[in-house]
Amino acid sequence: QKEVEQNSGPLSVPEGAIASLNCTYSDRVSQSFFWYRQYSGKSPELIMSIYSNGDKEDGRFTAQLNKASQYVSLLIRDSQPSDSATYLCAVPRGGSNYKLTFGKGTLLTVNP
Amino acid sequence: KAGVTQTPRYLIKTRGQQVTLSCSPISGHRSVSWYQQTPGQGLQFLFEYFSETQRNKGNFPGRFSGRQFSNSRSEMNVSTLELGDSALYLCASSRGTAEAFFGQGTRLTVV
Repeated sequence: QKEVEQNSGPLSVPEGAIASLNCTYSDRVSQSFFWYRQYSGKSPELIMSIYSNGDKEDGRFTAQLNKASQYVSLLIRDSQPSDSATYLCAVPRGGSNYKLTFGKGTLLTVNP
Repeated sequence: KAGVTQTPRYLIKTRGQQVTLSCSPISGHRSVSWYQQTPGQGLQFLFEYFSETQRNKGNFPGRFSGRQFSNSRSEMNVSTLELGDSALYLCASSRGTAEAFFGQGTRLTVV
């Protein structure tokens, strides 16, 4: 099993819809989880971090964490064309918070 | 507040040469990590420095090395460049937590 797995996509949603991005991880001791957004040709930008089971909301973004299932997701409500990007899930590994393992990313396209 | 600054933004090098990339972290951030991003392998961890000491290292050959200075600025060096080293090299800084903030990256092309 890969350390961090994401739906490879691409995922295409109409403007105004909810985009759902999923990520599973293999290291049961992981305590923190991150979502990054990367526009084409740009560097990753941290958009959400989550540390506890449950939901964390920030504007149109909601991160959901289920440690028992080793699953973390990102919901984007009222999707906008400007949300079109690759979304990367990142999990610290090897007991170090400073050594992130990234999934391969999910390419999201929001159609006007 | 200034973000993470990486220089240069673009580099073209010939096989066998060496290259040095520079990273200035966000003010107050003492941890600096380096990542390599390629279309095939995605984002891969190279190493992490804190207070001038390498704390973590990824699975890269010894040709990849780095260092950190007392002002937290960091450099990474790749010796004996290979075509496969062509990639986007990203630096990220952190302050006490795992939240990492990336610079714009250095695009290295090896010809």
